[in-house]
Amino acid sequence: EAAVTQSPRSKVAVTGGKVTLSCHQTNNHDYMYWYRQDTGHGLRLIHYSYVADSTEKGDIPDGYKASRPSQENFSLILELASLSQTAVYFCASSRRDRGPEVFFGKGTRLTVV
Amino acid sequence: GDQVEQSPSALSLHEGTGSALRCNFTTTMRAVQWFRKNSRGSLINLFYLASGTKENGRLKSAFDSKERYSTLHIRDAQLEDSGTYFCAAFDTNAYKVIFGKGTHLHVLP
Repeated sequence: EAAVTQSPRSKVAVTGGKVTLSCHQTNNHDYMYWYRQDTGHGLRLIHYSYVADSTEKGDIPDGYKASRPSQENFSLILELASLSQTAVYFCASSRRDRGPEVFFGKGTRLTVV
Repeated sequence: GDQVEQSPSALSLHEGTGSALRCNFTTTMRAVQWFRKNSRGSLINLFYLASGTKENGRLKSAFDSKERYSTLHIRDAQLEDSGTYFCAAFDTNAYKVIFGKGTHLHVLP
């Protein structure tokens, strides 16, 4: 079974502080994604990457940066955390093929206070 | 508008009964995936379909790309089936997964 590991699993951050969420996959997948989940909005794509050292903006990239230093690792960075960024964040990975399955991490609950 | 419309948004079932969740797509999608988010917040893959139907235990899913919909049938619901179910559609032209807003399923004893 494909594995996607997120860390930390939960975090409390102070408004204006920097937050880094990490994701590691052992699937040898090309694509990696960061989503946030808010009640009533389902899952929304923040950033994604299809190759190391390159990231792409998703649907809601404002306030977030992403980094893909290697095929296995994909980080989501909040330079100046805000209250509105309180949410659950999911990392995922998938193969390059058309119509691949997506494998998700267990999620990170971020609370900004 | 939303490319993926998931219904119902909430559903209560008594144990032993069943129902169906549905996702309608505004455009042709190449595949669909169904997930369940459990009480701990983890997302569990249920089905991935590029066409046709798949069945696993008490769950059965169907995907019709031409008619632009997918369904997830639950039969003989159990308490542990409670959670939020999401469908996710794979767009044919962009390498992006588009999620429905979820169905909150509550199984009652």
